[in-house]
Amino acid sequence: AQSVAQPEDQVNVAEGNPLTVKCTYSVSGNPYLFWYVQYPNRGLQFLLKYITGDNLVKGSYGFEAEFNKSQTSFHLKKPSALVSDSALYFCAVRDPNYGNEKLTFGTGTRLTIIP
Amino acid sequence: GAGVSQTPSNKVTEKGKYVELRCDPISGHTALYWYRQSLGQGPEFLIYFQGTGAADDSGLPNDRFFAVRPEGSVSTLKIQRTERGDSAVYLCASSFRGAPSSYEQYFGPGTRLTVT
Repeated sequence: AQSVAQPEDQVNVAEGNPLTVKCTYSVSGNPYLFWYVQYPNRGLQFLLKYITGDNLVKGSYGFEAEFNKSQTSFHLKKPSALVSDSALYFCAVRDPNYGNEKLTFGTGTRLTIIP
Repeated sequence: GAGVSQTPSNKVTEKGKYVELRCDPISGHTALYWYRQSLGQGPEFLIYFQGTGAADDSGLPNDRFFAVRPEGSVSTLKIQRTERGDSAVYLCASSFRGAPSSYEQYFGPGTRLTVT
């Protein structure tokens, strides 16, 4: 079974400060990990993914995430937050065993950037 | 290019009625997925198509839910005898299988279903 935990329902960060949105996962093998962002009344937008290779992955809008296998974490980060980063963020995991294509999502973290 | 589109954007129906939700994937994407997102939750997997066939329907909650993709492109999610608990946003996603960059799924805007 695969699962994701996002321990924080809400994260508030001052504009210009670094931000971190936390995610931990559980899968039976090596995970495929994803971050998506959801703006009001819009669908999920893909931000970045970890499949293999370098543990630090870079994505859209200046976001990056670090895969940590020993801590089973995949935290989303950005060096300097913008007000426009305010949105709902979802971490997702996929167990890459053959035939398994489904993503399992966390419950989401609402990020609010305070001007 | 055009993204995943879903129609209708909103659907209100009475308990016990039948509804169909449509998804148009990104052109050329061979894989199509349906998810359901309840208020305050993350999306939950329902079913996955590779081409015309349902490769994994393990997320369908019961036999009132059914989905088809007869020509390997457009898909329809069908819900019979709707219940108030079916109220949610139904999300469709597609991806292109067969390349290293194909792992991510691209989502449509969703159909908000309200059962009264």
